[in-house]
Amino acid sequence: EDKVVQSPLSLVVHEGDTVTLNCSYEVTNFRSLLWYKQEKKAPTFLFMLTSSGIEKKSGRLSSILDKKELFSILNITATQTGDSAIYLCAVANAGGTSYGKLTFGQGTILTVHP
Amino acid sequence: SQTIHQWPATLVQPVGSPLSLECTVEGTSNPNLYWYRQAAGRGLQLLFYSVGIGQISSEVPQNLSASRPQDRQFILSSKKLLLSDSGFYLCAWTRGSGTQYFGPGTRLLVL
Repeated sequence: EDKVVQSPLSLVVHEGDTVTLNCSYEVTNFRSLLWYKQEKKAPTFLFMLTSSGIEKKSGRLSSILDKKELFSILNITATQTGDSAIYLCAVANAGGTSYGKLTFGQGTILTVHP
Repeated sequence: SQTIHQWPATLVQPVGSPLSLECTVEGTSNPNLYWYRQAAGRGLQLLFYSVGIGQISSEVPQNLSASRPQDRQFILSSKKLLLSDSGFYLCAWTRGSGTQYFGPGTRLLVL
């Protein structure tokens, strides 16, 4: 059974801090790893990672995948109150009838205080 | 561009009543469609997915069922709601890339 574990489960920081969110996984047939940000409603897509060691960046957010050690990190630099959200990590399975299915971690609740 | 709709946005239902939640996708054809439930603002649990009309795969045994009567329509149903069915229900779609895009969700409270 595919499994995704995120840490920490919750994190409280002040504006300007840098945070690192962790995601480790076990999947029978790895296709990709995805990060989502969820505020009050639907998760919004941040990154999809398929190759080890290649950093993806979007503004103050960046993410990298290590397929050998089976983990990914999401970094947020110079945090702002608008970064407060649940950050979800998911892995996509490439195998047979499981094609495209995502297994989600529990999420990390990030709170950024002014 | 593609958009995904869900309704209703919120729903309060008594225990034992039926349920029907609807999800529709615009701007794409033959998408894979998914129903998730999220409890207490945590991770998403996959309930059902569909790769085509009339094709439904169930991930967990439960009090719910799903149907896909049209290519871009996905319905989540129950004949008799339980208290434990309360939660935030999300519909998602994908087409090949692996990235799933989510609808706005339905918040269900069973009393």
